[in-house]
Amino acid sequence: QVQLQQWGAGLLKPSETLSLTCGVSGGSFSGHYWSWFRQPPGKGLEWIGDMNESGSTNYNPSLKTRVTTSVDSSKSQFSLRLTSVTAADTAVYYCARTGGLTPLYWYFDLWGRGTLVTVSS
Amino acid sequence: DIVMTQSPDSLAVSLGDRATISCKSSQSVLYTSNNKNYLAWYQQKPGQPPRLLMYWASTRESGVPDRFSGSGSGTDFTLTISSLQAEDAAVYYCQQFWRTPTTFGPGTKVEIK
Repeated sequence: QVQLQQWGAGLLKPSETLSLTCGVSGGSFSGHYWSWFRQPPGKGLEWIGDMNESGSTNYNPSLKTRVTTSVDSSKSQFSLRLTSVTAADTAVYYCARTGGLTPLYWYFDLWGRGTLVTVSS
Repeated sequence: DIVMTQSPDSLAVSLGDRATISCKSSQSVLYTSNNKNYLAWYQQKPGQPPRLLMYWASTRESGVPDRFSGSGSGTDFTLTISSLQAEDAAVYYCQQFWRTPTTFGPGTKVEIK
């Protein structure tokens, strides 16, 4: 059974860099795009960006200037960095998997459990 | 960006009754070449990640009970729960994946009356 396990710092100060990693276990790392989302407390879902195993990336234009994603295929892991965080970046951050590599499959069929990241001075 | 709207914001339904959620997109998400709507539905319970229920508007994900059904095409879509069970209390989101960035509706909260 494929699972996503995510980890990273949960408490940051303003201007610091958010860093999260998601590991894939029990299944193949290839054949999917791997995405990051966030959900502020009590609010809806926002897509941050994605990448595939070869390093091809896509970012939400609203966050593009502050986001970097990376992949380590040898470890079946992918990571998110978000720079210059503010209180507005406080949210639960999720990693997720698309159904496949082409847009036809860009729904998300597997999710990590989420990491609450709080930005506070 | 494609804007997704949902209605109602919330609804309270008695056990065994039907629940109907509407989702509208600001532009069509139908790809006429393959006749697929690039629209998915998710269920989210408190403290949990979203769970994929439906993709291509009406294809049920493996393991999803058949009381859940999806319909619609183009810009107007519906998620129906035919006979509400206690475990269906949750927030439901629609998502378009026709254009990047993928976007979600604001959610509809389903409660048990």
